[in-house]
Amino acid sequence: DVKVTQSSRYLVKRTGEKVFLECVQDMDHENMFWYRQDPGLGLRLIYFSYDVKMKEKGDIPEGYSVSREKKERFSLILESASTNQTSMYLCASNVPGKEAFFGQGTRLTVV
Amino acid sequence: ELKVEQNPLFLSMQEGKNYTIYCNYSTTSDRLYWYRQDPGKSLESLFVLLSNGAVKQEGRLMASLDTKARLSTLHITAAVHDLSATYFCAVDAQIQGAQKLVFGQGTRLTINP
Repeated sequence: DVKVTQSSRYLVKRTGEKVFLECVQDMDHENMFWYRQDPGLGLRLIYFSYDVKMKEKGDIPEGYSVSREKKERFSLILESASTNQTSMYLCASNVPGKEAFFGQGTRLTVV
Repeated sequence: ELKVEQNPLFLSMQEGKNYTIYCNYSTTSDRLYWYRQDPGKSLESLFVLLSNGAVKQEGRLMASLDTKARLSTLHITAAVHDLSATYFCAVDAQIQGAQKLVFGQGTRLTINP
């Protein structure tokens, strides 16, 4: 079975902190994605990566950066967390043209 | 920019009834996916539709794709309470050779006894 694992289920951080969300997949997928999910807005793409060290901005990249140093790992970084970044963050991976598999999600609260 | 719109966003129905969720998208794509999300859980893949006219069925759910109309439907037959969940459609967009997966807003389905 494909497994996508996010490092934390729940996270509480203070405004201004640097926050790292980690995602690891074990199926050698080329593509990896970070989404945030907010009520009424569905899933919005923050960044995606189609290869090691390659990244593309999604629809809402402001305030975020990403890192993909190894194929299996895709990190989302909040450079200076703000309260409007309180959300559910979902990581996904896939082979191009195939369905994506999702991690369990990280519910981040910024206080 | 690729836009994916689902209709309706909220749906409350009684057990035993039939209904359809619609997914419209704004640019050419021949791959569409349906996902289910239960409260507090992550997304689970339901259907992968890879060509015009594709139809997939699993139990009381049936999905179809019309790439010319840029429309996919998810039909629920004789609904049961266990199908209560949020359903998302998602479409592939190729951006400079990279695949970008864009989601609709989701349809929250509540099935009442």
